Amino acid sequence: GEDVEQSLFLSVREGDSSVINCTYTDSSSTYLYWYKQEPGAGLQLLTYIFSNMDMKQDQRLTVLLNKKDKHLSLRIADTQTGDSAIYFCAEKADSSYKLIFGSGTRLLVRP
Amino acid sequence: EPEVTQTPSHQVTQMGQEVILRCVPISNHLYFYWYRQILGQKVEFLVSFYNNEISEKSEIFDDQFSVERPDGSNFTLKIRSTKLEDSAMYFCASSEGYSDTQYFGPGTRLTVL
Repeated sequence: GEDVEQSLFLSVREGDSSVINCTYTDSSSTYLYWYKQEPGAGLQLLTYIFSNMDMKQDQRLTVLLNKKDKHLSLRIADTQTGDSAIYFCAEKADSSYKLIFGSGTRLLVRP
Repeated sequence: EPEVTQTPSHQVTQMGQEVILRCVPISNHLYFYWYRQILGQKVEFLVSFYNNEISEKSEIFDDQFSVERPDGSNFTLKIRSTKLEDSAMYFCASSEGYSDTQYFGPGTRLTVL
């Protein structure tokens, strides 16, 4: 069945780049998303990429998609302490309404 | 910026009681969703709703659950007879179109005692 996997934890120093990785199994995935969840808050959409794209850049965020390996990554440049949160990867097939989420990667930014 | 809102932020109930979780989707959105996240587990899809009917539901969404759009702004999730295992954070989401991005509310934490 469909599955999305992420590493659970990442710790970086403030000012460094962070790279959060995600793999998925559904080859019919059309849309891939990154959501951010701060403590006690909901899921905030960060960025998304269509499956016919390899890369998308949005200010400090760069999304890379390797469709052959079903691998998605989120790079945050110049990571700040305010970036500390849980980051969720999610995928959606065009034939379905539902998002399938990974378990989330907890990013800790050390001063 | 328009956002999805949910009430209450925290609901505590006794096992066997009925609960209604409320959501106000973004006003021009036509598709509505409920997800849940049990503590320490993944966010799971429950149901999607469009044009006043369920368009897709997961295996979790059994006869204990129902959804309704009682008026032009609210979207509700009802759990008829709550179980301990229904304790979770429930997220409402909405999107403008079928393929459009889903925007999430802040969630309602449901605790069943």
